[in-house]
Amino acid sequence: QKEVEQNSGPLSVPEGAIASLNCTYSDRVSQSFFWYRQYSGKSPELIMSIYSNGDKEDGRFTAQLNKASQYVSLLIRDSQPSDSATYLCAERAGTALIFGKGTTLSVSS
Amino acid sequence: KAGVTQTPRYLIKTRGQQVTLSCSPISGHRSVSWYQQTPGQGLQFLFEYFSETQRNKGNFPGRFSGRQFSNSRSEMNVSTLELGDSALYLCASGLVGNEQFFGPGTRLTVL
Repeated sequence: QKEVEQNSGPLSVPEGAIASLNCTYSDRVSQSFFWYRQYSGKSPELIMSIYSNGDKEDGRFTAQLNKASQYVSLLIRDSQPSDSATYLCAERAGTALIFGKGTTLSVSS
Repeated sequence: KAGVTQTPRYLIKTRGQQVTLSCSPISGHRSVSWYQQTPGQGLQFLFEYFSETQRNKGNFPGRFSGRQFSNSRSEMNVSTLELGDSALYLCASGLVGNEQFFGPGTRLTVL
């Protein structure tokens, strides 16, 4: 059974720092990975998708994929208090997404 | 382009009742997926529909069912509600094989 593991946190960083969120997955043949941000009481919002090894950058966000080690990470540069949320990692399994339990990030001003 | 919409946003039911939730995908998206989110289990896949056909189903009992209409709108139904069905039910739409975008969800409380 496919599994996605995340450290539940909370991960606390000061404003302006780099926040590093990590995720490991069990299925070696997985090809597609996603990071979602979920504010308390809201639905998940897609931040990044990544399909190939290496880094993908979008503004302050960088997703990193290492298929050999089966991990995906999300770096948030210049963290802001508005980044405080739960970050969900997901892998595509056919037409479904398998989610980790999420990492709670707290950015203090 | 309008996002995914879900109705109703909040629902309170009692054990044994049934409930129907509705989802309208982003225009042009033909794939609609449903997820259940609870504090203990996190986000779990229920089922996915494409062109009115269920293509994938998660590990949920038969009390959970769904359908998709020709305009890609989807409904899910839960019969004989149990206390453990209290959750946030999320609908997501997408183009085939690509990202999925979530609606605001329906918060179901079973008393």
